Amino acid sequence: DQQVKQNSPSLSVQEGRISILNCDYTNSMFDYFLWYKKYPAEGPTFLISISSIKDKNEDGRFTVFLNKSAKHLSLHIVPSQPGDSAVYFCAASGGGSTLGRLYFGRGTQLTVWP
Amino acid sequence: NAGVTQTPKFRVLKTGQSMTLLCAQDMNHEYMYWYRQDPGMGLRLIHYSVGEGTTAKGEVPDGYNVSRLKKQNFLLGLESAAPSQTSVYFCASRLDRGKAFFGQGTRLTVV
Repeated sequence: DQQVKQNSPSLSVQEGRISILNCDYTNSMFDYFLWYKKYPAEGPTFLISISSIKDKNEDGRFTVFLNKSAKHLSLHIVPSQPGDSAVYFCAASGGGSTLGRLYFGRGTQLTVWP
Repeated sequence: NAGVTQTPKFRVLKTGQSMTLLCAQDMNHEYMYWYRQDPGMGLRLIHYSVGEGTTAKGEVPDGYNVSRLKKQNFLLGLESAAPSQTSVYFCASRLDRGKAFFGQGTRLTVV
């Protein structure tokens, strides 16, 4: 039973436009959320994170929004660039029975075209 | 700093053979993880460790064993490899509940 879900396997966006990647989670114990980026033949690299005490976190072109009541988070990339083309993974961690674990979604392949 | 280093990077095994994947981190992290990545399945947690001498099962532990005898190393063992274990394996480490750092991956093929 997946606790972190990324329901869009792929997303295609034109360069300069906004990319919005979505993620849903089911476990109320999650209180820390992360986004990772992965290029082929490389390990995932950390992009941005957000704690459940916030609803928004920005880092340059990347912004993550958290809606706790809907158990939903999204990653906005503005403006999108061809080098952003990669697989993006959403991840979640928390306390209680989830302590120590880091759960990942199935990923969304983002393609940014010129 | 090397970060997280996985050994080997590639390996081909015959069904029934055994092997050990090594993960080493030089960041003094408490938490370490082994994931497998398969097409369309994302990153699935095999086993993890919250400190030296501890291990716990993840989502897909069957067919794998792990050991964390030293804080900096996390070993993943396959006792009798099966074709279903053909995958890319990633090791990761975390200081606590912050971000995790990943290794470059091990591509394993079982024939």
